[in-house]
Amino acid sequence: QQPVQSPQAVILREGEDAVINCSSSKALYSVHWYRQKHGEAPVFLMILLKGGEQKGHDKISASFNEKKQQSSLYLTASQLSYSGTYFCGTDRQGGSEKLVFGKGTKLTVNP
Amino acid sequence: DAGITQSPRHKVTETGTPVTLRCHQTENHRYMYWYRQDPGHGLRLIHYSYGVKDTDKGEVSDGYSVSRSKTEDFLLTLESATSSQTSVYFCAIHRDRGNGYTFGSGTRLTVV
Repeated sequence: QQPVQSPQAVILREGEDAVINCSSSKALYSVHWYRQKHGEAPVFLMILLKGGEQKGHDKISASFNEKKQQSSLYLTASQLSYSGTYFCGTDRQGGSEKLVFGKGTKLTVNP
Repeated sequence: DAGITQSPRHKVTETGTPVTLRCHQTENHRYMYWYRQDPGHGLRLIHYSYGVKDTDKGEVSDGYSVSRSKTEDFLLTLESATSSQTSVYFCAIHRDRGNGYTFGSGTRLTVV
């Protein structure tokens, strides 16, 4: 079952922060986050494997609440290069190694 | 680079014709996937493979078949193309459950 992402779209000014949420109705083994720029392939950002885990690099981080089956992606002090569509992909606990992706969140960062 | 290539990059075909898309990897990964991407739907899994001759269906597999006779190649075939199969098709490779997917550059398919 497809995870639900929110919001569907967000517009920021450079330097502002954003949070993108991803929730599933199924117990999860992992959550992946990807960014896709227009006309390009999705690019892997990070994977979260454990409940309550938080990861990050640079100004992009994410958390995973295994009990709530939710993950959030945090973008702080956004840069123009952060623009794109962000997808979460979920891998069910006990399931095969295949990701089900959300419909995406379109992020636009303006100067 | 990631070591995954898709061919062709663009294709226009007529309704009712068979079409085969190719995904080639140079990294010897066990897992390979075919997704389609359509506006408003995100990425939807068509078929995937967990080894040579080992494949399984995804959520939108009707009208598609796959084959994997070698580790490096994963072929997607549209048996009789329809306009609803106009889409961008992405192949992906995956080393193991602790790592992310690497996507190919995509194939834009138009069925007229």
